Amino acid sequence: DAGVIQSPRHEVTEMGQEVTLRCKPISGHDYLFWYRQTMMRGLELLIYFNNNVPIDDSGMPEDRFSAKMPNASFSTLKIQPSEPRDSAVYFCGSTERGFTDTQYFGPGTRLTVL
Amino acid sequence: TQLLEQSPQFLSIQEGENLTVYCNSSSVFSSLQWYRQEPGEGPVLLVTVVTGGEVKKLKRLTFQFGDARKDSSLHITAAQPGDTGLYLCAPGWDTGNQFYFGTGTSLTVIP
Repeated sequence: DAGVIQSPRHEVTEMGQEVTLRCKPISGHDYLFWYRQTMMRGLELLIYFNNNVPIDDSGMPEDRFSAKMPNASFSTLKIQPSEPRDSAVYFCGSTERGFTDTQYFGPGTRLTVL
Repeated sequence: TQLLEQSPQFLSIQEGENLTVYCNSSSVFSSLQWYRQEPGEGPVLLVTVVTGGEVKKLKRLTFQFGDARKDSSLHITAAQPGDTGLYLCAPGWDTGNQFYFGTGTSLTVIP
């Protein structure tokens, strides 16, 4: 398997623009999650899905952030409008049966909002 | 607020030295995971400890879960540059609870 795939690897945008991050989980994994990593706040869970259904989005910082999972092989994290404080590395990951299982992470998307 | 404190926050050592990093909380956990994140990559699971007092070894890495299941330690023997990375602990997840990572220890092993 190719592992978790994220795109783009790097994104530079200007404040106010819409940003869409993409993730393809490992085939057969029922759970997908989005994390954000910064020096100040560490690695934070934003939202996770089980069988394409959002289960817990309490980590989503504000209404500017939204995530969707239209099918088992694709998810997006959208920021609209983006702000400089959104600059971070965003990770997507998946597991077969939840967090007690091994979590497999993608390589991350480094987002810079100018 | 749930919190997993890891110490030290930063550690820089010479190749060949031994080191121990810690993961502490006031909460009791059903299990605890350790991850290593290399620069530019996502975290990779190293081990899961489940039983209080449990010790697991992974080559030069020794993981211990505290007797009370509130804390854990990671000891590295004869550190190598390939051990460089961010070490993260994470508590076992019980359905309905929020999942989170510890604050992390950034390790640099100098050749």
